[in-house]
Order: sequence, then C-alpha cells, then structure tokens
Amino acid sequence: QVQLQESGPGLVKPSETLSLTCTVSGVSMSSYYWSWIRQSPGKGLEWIGYIFYSGSTITNYNPSLKSRVTISLDTSNNQFSLRLASVTAADTAVYYCARAQSGSAFEYWGQGTLVTVSS
Amino acid sequence: EIVMTQSPATLSVSPGERATLSCRASQSVSINLAWYQQKPGQAPRLLIYGASTRATGIPARFSGSGSGTEFTLTISSLQSEDFAVYYCQQYNNWLWTFGQGTKVEIK
Repeated sequence: QVQLQESGPGLVKPSETLSLTCTVSGVSMSSYYWSWIRQSPGKGLEWIGYIFYSGSTITNYNPSLKSRVTISLDTSNNQFSLRLASVTAADTAVYYCARAQSGSAFEYWGQGTLVTVSS
Repeated sequence: EIVMTQSPATLSVSPGERATLSCRASQSVSINLAWYQQKPGQAPRLLIYGASTRATGIPARFSGSGSGTEFTLTISSLQSEDFAVYYCQQYNNWLWTFGQGTKVEIK
C-alpha cells in the first residue's frame, strides 16, 4: 500500500526558508514523478514542482516559484524534500506531496501539512 | 501556462439528482485531464484520469467526458458523501495546472 507523509515545521518566519520532507512507503521511488502541491487557505491548488528518478534525477518547477524552489530526493530513506526560500505571508498554505506516473494524474497524496509564515 | 476554468463556481443539487460540472482549458490538452474530489480537511482524491477513466475504487456514478479544451464530470445520482469541491487538472505539458474548483452543495 502506497503511503505518503509530509513532515516539517508548521511555522516559518518571513524571509526564511521553508523546508518539508515527504516520506514514502510501500513503493520504490524509481520511475515516478514526485511532486509538491500547495493550497492557500480557502483557495485552489498550485503545483510547485516535481522530481523524477530513474538512475539520474530530473526536476521541473512552476515558473512562478522556480527562483525560490529546490526539490531533492533521498532514495536510501525513501524521502523527497522541498525547500522554498525567502518566504512571505503569501506562501502560507497547506503543502501536499503527491505521486504521478508518467503521463498521468496524481494518484497518491499525503494528508497535507499547514505551514504558516509569520513573525 | 494552460489556464483551466471551471464552471459553475457553486452547484446546488438535491440528493439523488444529477450534477454536471464543466472544465475548459485555454488550449488543447488532448485527453490529459483529471478530476479530483476534495472534502474539508482532506487531500484531494483522484476520481478520473485520461478524461474518462475512473480511478481504482471510484463508483460508477462518476463519469468523465471530453477532449481537447472542453470536459465534463457527471455525477449521475448524488449521494450524501459526494458533496465536496471538485477540481480538474491538466497534465498535457510539464506545467501542471488546476482549475479553481466547483463546490457541490446540498440544495
């Protein structure tokens, strides 16, 4: 059974870096697109980026966030991570990790974790 | 960026009735279109992918149709557990985008 679980601080100060980790169980991380998606309070869903691993890694980021985002992979621990630099209040959101297969939709999601940006 | 526009924003339906939700893409996404259901406090759940293929475990009352730029999600007979927000999402190119959602509420 595939499961994803987000973890990380729920409160981040403005201008600092948001860091989250998604722990994956029940499946190898190879050959899937591992994504981060966020949802601002009362608003819709925004795809942040993905990392794909099949021997080597490929990343792809939403251009609106690209200058501030890094997604990395730790296959030995079955985890992937998100770093979002220079956060502001606009980055306050529920952050989800999710998995997609090549050319398909997000079939598995974590439960989500609320990150608030505030001093 | 492909912009996904959903209508209506809110749909009021009585239990047992049919609900029809629309999603329009700003350019063709072929059939690379998914629908998700989200309930308060929960992650989205995949309902439909490939525009019309139900995901594992999704009841037959959910059906999807369309291609190119126009898509529809139909719930044939609304059950109490179907009142939620529904999102469409395109994965035709590598900048995945979501619609703004349609809330299906009890009439």
